[in-house]
Amino acid sequence: GNSVTQMEGPVTLSEEAFLTINCTYTATGYPSLFWYVQYPGEGLQLLLKATKADDKGSNKGFEATYRKETTSFHLEKGSVQVSDSAVYFCALKRTGRRALTFGSGTRLQVQP
Amino acid sequence: DAMVIQNPRYQVTQFGKPVTLSCSQTLNHNVMYWYQQKSSQAPKLLFHYYDKDFNNEADTPDNFQSRRPNTSFCFLDIRSPGLGDAAMYLCATSRSSSDSNQPQHFGDGTRLSIL
Repeated sequence: GNSVTQMEGPVTLSEEAFLTINCTYTATGYPSLFWYVQYPGEGLQLLLKATKADDKGSNKGFEATYRKETTSFHLEKGSVQVSDSAVYFCALKRTGRRALTFGSGTRLQVQP
Repeated sequence: DAMVIQNPRYQVTQFGKPVTLSCSQTLNHNVMYWYQQKSSQAPKLLFHYYDKDFNNEADTPDNFQSRRPNTSFCFLDIRSPGLGDAAMYLCATSRSSSDSNQPQHFGDGTRLSIL
């Protein structure tokens, strides 16, 4: 079946530090991959996506590259801010399926 | 701005008392989803509507039902809430899904508490 595995949190960083949140997946075929962010008390917001191998999604300084050979979609940001503190979910969507399969989420805490 | 709106943001109900959560959208998307998210866990899909076609997930309890009277509105009915149903309920929408690229757009959720 389909599954998404994320690194456990919380991840605690100082402002301006480099961020990596690991995500690997298991799926048949060629799924689309997504990162969603959830701020406290809010719903999920799409952060970025990639739809085929070697695609790079990017938004608000965050980037992730679809790596088919390692079945990974790691999220990176060069310099985090306090306002980036949130829970980040990696997700996949298999071709022909409507549902998203989410990872368990990784909480990021950025300290001033 | 086009969006997905959930009401209320917070809902308290009594054990066993039916409760309805609502979701509306101005995106004119034909697919609407309901997710349950328990504390510190990933959202779990309960069911979705593709236009008027209802699609239940295999492990969704019978206690959970849904209605979609028109394109814009979708309701989640919990017939007899138990303590284990306390969670955040998220509504999401997307355009027709023949293309797996289409992302889902989420509302801010309704946090349900059971007394």
